[in-house]
Amino acid sequence: AQTVTQSQPEMSVQEAETVTLSCTYDTSESDYYLFWYKQPPSRQMILVIRQEAYKQQNATENRFSVNFQKAAKSFSLKISDSQLGDAAMYFCAYAGYQKVTFGIGTKLQVIP
Amino acid sequence: DTAVSQTPKYLVTQMGNDKSIKCEQNLGHDTMYWYKQDSKKFLKIMFSYNNKELIINETVPNRFSPKSPDKAHLNLHINSLELGDSAVYFCASSQLSGRGLPLQETQYFGPGTRLLVL
Repeated sequence: AQTVTQSQPEMSVQEAETVTLSCTYDTSESDYYLFWYKQPPSRQMILVIRQEAYKQQNATENRFSVNFQKAAKSFSLKISDSQLGDAAMYFCAYAGYQKVTFGIGTKLQVIP
Repeated sequence: DTAVSQTPKYLVTQMGNDKSIKCEQNLGHDTMYWYKQDSKKFLKIMFSYNNKELIINETVPNRFSPKSPDKAHLNLHINSLELGDSAVYFCASSQLSGRGLPLQETQYFGPGTRLLVL
């Protein structure tokens, strides 16, 4: 069974600084997708970034980028130039052939 | 325009009652999902429909029954509500792009329905 582990329940970052959220997963599948979703206090889940496992290149989306290490089964999210609006719960998710699995989330606090 | 909408937003009810949560998406997507997020924020998929066909049915009590009258709607009916059903329920949708399976596409989530069973 696939598992997704987010080992940091809470993180904080100063505004304008950079923070990295970690995510590791376990799978025997070779083709899968990985996601980071953001859930602000408003509760709505929003996609931050998506990575296809067959692609070597790390996905980037403006201030958000990932460090995808397939062999290590690691998928960390880097947020550069943190903004107050980045404060939220961040969920790492794995999508394989038959299942999507979410991590337990990391709560990110942004300090002005 | 709301992409994925859910009604109601809040639902407070007594144990033993039957309730429904409705979900509609106007994105033209072909796949819809129901998730449950418990008090510890853990998000777990419950069901998924692709073109009105059930493709995922996780281990949930059979008191939960999804119904998809058409591609744009996926409703969740819950019979004999229990205290442990209290949670936030999210609907989501996605569209097959040709590469990947339905689950592997980006999902667009609704605002959630907070269910409280007393």
